Amino acid sequence: DAGITQSPRHKVTETGTPVTLRCHQTENHRYMYWYRQDPGHGLRLIHYSYGVKDTDKGEVSDGYSVSRSKTEDFLLTLESATSSQTSVYFCAISESSGNTEAFFGQGTRLTVV
Amino acid sequence: AQSVTQLGSHVSVSEGALVLLRCNYSSSVPPYLFWYVQYPNQGLQLLLKYTSAATLVKGINGFEAEFKKSETSFHLTKPSAHMSDAAEYFCAVSRDSSASKIIFGSGTRLSIRP
Repeated sequence: DAGITQSPRHKVTETGTPVTLRCHQTENHRYMYWYRQDPGHGLRLIHYSYGVKDTDKGEVSDGYSVSRSKTEDFLLTLESATSSQTSVYFCAISESSGNTEAFFGQGTRLTVV
Repeated sequence: AQSVTQLGSHVSVSEGALVLLRCNYSSSVPPYLFWYVQYPNQGLQLLLKYTSAATLVKGINGFEAEFKKSETSFHLTKPSAHMSDAAEYFCAVSRDSSASKIIFGSGTRLSIRP
């Protein structure tokens, strides 16, 4: 299995609080992605990174920010959590763009109450 | 802009029957196309990918998919369904670019009837 670790795996937080999810990889892959998975919507891209300090927005980036100061870590921050951000969050990595496989973490289940 | 559309959020077939999961893509440049599978409470794993080498792509667990440019389709098939195939399947598209991203469809849940 690809070395991807998401933390925490489960979190319950209150509306209005900031939350940071961490994705850590040991594969030295250039690309890292954050997706959210919701019933009926599949996986929707939040933000992605194509190198250290190189990030871009995905389809559903409002209310989220990311940082990548090291190759191995990609942080997703919910600046002020809302109930609509209750979801399962997946991190993925890939070695290069285009035709290479993405490897996924086990997911983080976030509940905002 | 790239996108994929998966027709049918839920497909149910009998064990031993043909599995057909549909995916249509939209891309302004030649795409790379993927099928991923997700078993309950797990992340996604790659079933197969199309990278322009061959239009018929064989993947793991007996699945295959055919790239049809004229129909902008990349449907997933398996001749004979097995109970262990019950899962959610996602079609995805990417392209060759330094800032490329992977876009997923909404998924199709496959159920297998005994």
